[in-house]
Parts: sequence; structure tokens; C-alpha cells
Amino acid sequence: AQSVTQPDIHITVSEGASLELRCNYSYGATPYLFWYVQSPGQGLQLLLKYFSGDTLVQGIKGFEAEFKRSQSSFNLRKPSVHWSDAAEYFCAVGPSYNQGGKLIFGQGTELSVKP
Amino acid sequence: KAGVTQTPRYLIKTRGQQVTLSCSPISGHRSVSWYQQTPGQGLQFLFEYFSETQRNKGNFPGRFSGRQFSNSRSEMNVSTLELGDSALYLCASSLGQGVRVDTQYFGPGTRLTVL
Repeated sequence: AQSVTQPDIHITVSEGASLELRCNYSYGATPYLFWYVQSPGQGLQLLLKYFSGDTLVQGIKGFEAEFKRSQSSFNLRKPSVHWSDAAEYFCAVGPSYNQGGKLIFGQGTELSVKP
Repeated sequence: KAGVTQTPRYLIKTRGQQVTLSCSPISGHRSVSWYQQTPGQGLQFLFEYFSETQRNKGNFPGRFSGRQFSNSRSEMNVSTLELGDSALYLCASSLGQGVRVDTQYFGPGTRLTVL
């Protein structure tokens, strides 16, 4: 069955420190991978996406993610965290061409930022 | 372009009642998907509509239904509300069929509380 696992429920980092959020997926075909961020009481904002090609993907707000097929992972990174990055982060996998818009989400990782 | 809009933003109902939520997609987007978000179950796919037809359906009871209009606006309905239906209901729009991979853009959600 298709699934996405985010092993860390909650992470706390100091402002200015680097960040890596983990995401592992189980998917039969070539996955299409997404990272979304959700601030309290808000909807989901797309950070970045991977469809094919270069396995290092750049997104908004200084985030990047690396697709590693051998490890079935799509980890999100940021070199220097800002207090405004505190939010919940969701990794998601989507179906391939023309199979509809169903996204499968991980359980999310809540990020806290210490001053 | 304006983003995805959802109305109402907040709703309080009592058990047994029914509720209708509305979603207006990004202009030009023809696909609308609905998700339920709860602390216990996370983000779960409800259904997807494209060209007024349901294209995908998640694992929810028949009390949950939806429809899409010719202008791509969508509504979802929950009948005979239960306490467990309290959740944030998120709508996402995407270009739809004919694109290699769809990227979904989310609205702010409707917070439903069932008393």
C-alpha cells in the first residue's frame, strides 16, 4: 500500500541552526513528491515538489529537498532556520499521470524554533 | 490570481444536522479535491472532482458527498453529523486532466465543530 512516513512528530531547533525533516515513502510507481507547510489555523502552502530530473529541488523560503530513490526518502532541509519557520510540515506523495489528484500525506512534523 | 477560497471559514453544528461547505478553485483550474484533517487521523483524502464528475473517492461513509458545478466550484455535504466529523476540511484545486502531474493548491479550510 502507498504510504508516507514522517518519523519525527516534533522537532525543536535554535534560530539560525540548520534543519532536516525526514520523509520516507512507499509507492509502487515513480512517485511525485511534495512538501507543504501549515501555520496554525491555516491551509497548506506548497514549499516544493519533485517530479523528475535533478534530485535536489529548490523551493520557497530557502527550503530544499533531496530525492533519494535508493532510500525511498525525500528529506526537507534548510541551512538556517528563522523564527517564522515554526509551523507544521507535511510530506506527500501523489499519483502519476492522469490518475487523479489524490495525495497521501505523512502525519506531519511540528517544528518549534528557540530564540 | 486569487487563491482557493472556502466558505464559511468556521461552522458550528449539532449532531444529526447536515452541513454544506463551498470551495472556489483558482481561475482556470478544473479539478477540486477535498481533504479532512483531524489530530488523530491527520490529512485524509475525501474525493476529487473534475468536469463535474467524481474521479476519485477516499474511504469515507456515504454521509460524505460532493459535487462540482460547471464553473468548477465545488461543494461538499455531510449529512447526519457525528461528533467525529469535527475537523478542518481543506479544499485543493489543480489544473486537472491533461497535465503530466498535477500540483494541488490548498485553501484556508473550513473549521467544522460538531456539538
